[in-house]
Amino acid sequence: EAGVTQFPSHSVIEKGQTVTLRCDPISGHDNLYWYRRVMGKEIKFLLHFVKESKQDESGMPNNRFLAERTGGTYSTLKVQPAELEDSGVYFCASSPNLKQGEDTEAFFGQGTRLTVV
Amino acid sequence: AQSVTQLGSHVSVSEGALVLLRCNYSSSVPPYLFWYVQYPNQGLQLLLKYTSAATLVKGINGFEAEFKKSETSFHLTKPSAHMSDAAEYFCAVSGYSSASKIIFGSGTRLSIRP
Repeated sequence: EAGVTQFPSHSVIEKGQTVTLRCDPISGHDNLYWYRRVMGKEIKFLLHFVKESKQDESGMPNNRFLAERTGGTYSTLKVQPAELEDSGVYFCASSPNLKQGEDTEAFFGQGTRLTVV
Repeated sequence: AQSVTQLGSHVSVSEGALVLLRCNYSSSVPPYLFWYVQYPNQGLQLLLKYTSAATLVKGINGFEAEFKKSETSFHLTKPSAHMSDAAEYFCAVSGYSSASKIIFGSGTRLSIRP
């Protein structure tokens, strides 16, 4: 079974440009999360999709960030326009819905390293 | 509110020595606790998790962690370090289930000396 896949693995863009990150979750996982790690700091939650709906977007830093999950499959995270402080590693994770009495976990992708110069 | 504090951004031990990575948490609800590992050029991998069952949790690669409610701690240990354990380790907490939003610590980079 394929894991969580993220594209690209690394992106270098100039300040003011637009970048779109993509995440393909594990097939059948309704929950999809975006996290970000700015250099040397903790990994921070950005938002959570349940299928195509945004369940929690409390971690989105500002309106330059737009996340979508059309059709409830893959997700994109667009940064427009990018600023220097947006540099970091963006992680995506997915998890299945809980069944009664069961537990699960979030599976993470390898991350996209974004460098804004 | 939930938070995690990892003591020591960098820990170095000799091969064969005990590994101890410290983590303290704060949570207003019964927590789910995790340790994740990130090897160089790889993604985050779950090492182990505590979900209110046994307080001593065993994970992959010989790691284990003990949940101590009185100390609000969830320290990660391994009796004998191996060179392949060199990586960055993240302690994390979440709420009602392990499918909830995860709050991470700042990470501890573990180096192994030959």
